[in-house]
Amino acid sequence: DQQVKQNSPSLSVQEGRISILNCDYTNSMFDYFLWYKKYPAEGPTFLISISSIKDKNEDGRFTVFLNKSAKHLSLHIVPSQPGDSAVYFCAAKSSGGSYIPTFGRGTSLIVHP
Amino acid sequence: DAGITQSPRHKVTETGTPVTLRCHQTENHRYMYWYRQDPGHGLRLIHYSYGVKDTDKGEVSDGYSVSRSKTEDFLLTLESATSSQTSVYFCAISDKGGSYNEQFFGPGTRLTVL
Repeated sequence: DQQVKQNSPSLSVQEGRISILNCDYTNSMFDYFLWYKKYPAEGPTFLISISSIKDKNEDGRFTVFLNKSAKHLSLHIVPSQPGDSAVYFCAAKSSGGSYIPTFGRGTSLIVHP
Repeated sequence: DAGITQSPRHKVTETGTPVTLRCHQTENHRYMYWYRQDPGHGLRLIHYSYGVKDTDKGEVSDGYSVSRSKTEDFLLTLESATSSQTSVYFCAISDKGGSYNEQFFGPGTRLTVL
């Protein structure tokens, strides 16, 4: 039973356009959300996070939006660059439960020049 | 970059043989984790440690054991490797157990069980 779902296994975008990666969760106890980026043959690296007291967090070209009522978050990359091509994992944690994150299955983003 | 190394980086072994993967950190972080990554499954937690000699099971712990005798080292052992354990294994660390912190991952170990 997946508590964190990334329903799009892959996404293809043109360079310079916006990339939108989506993530849905089912556990209403989750209150902290993270995005990780993973290049081939490397470990995942932390990208950006958001707590449930916010609905938006921005860091340069990366913005994460949180819609608590819909249990949905999205990662926006603007503008997309070929170097953004990677697998993106969504993860969620609960401050009231285990500190260990639950990961989605990942979305492979390809940005075409 | 967080100081995390994994060894070996690649290993090919045969079914039924024991295998030990090592994770070494230089960050003095309290928490350490072992994940496996498989196509279509994302990152799945195998075991984790919340201190020296303190470990617990994750969602896919069957067939795996761990040990942590020092803060800096976390070992993952496959007592008798099976082909279903062919995967990429990642170690991760974090300095706090609370919600508002991220994990740092090692470079991974690609294990092939023939």
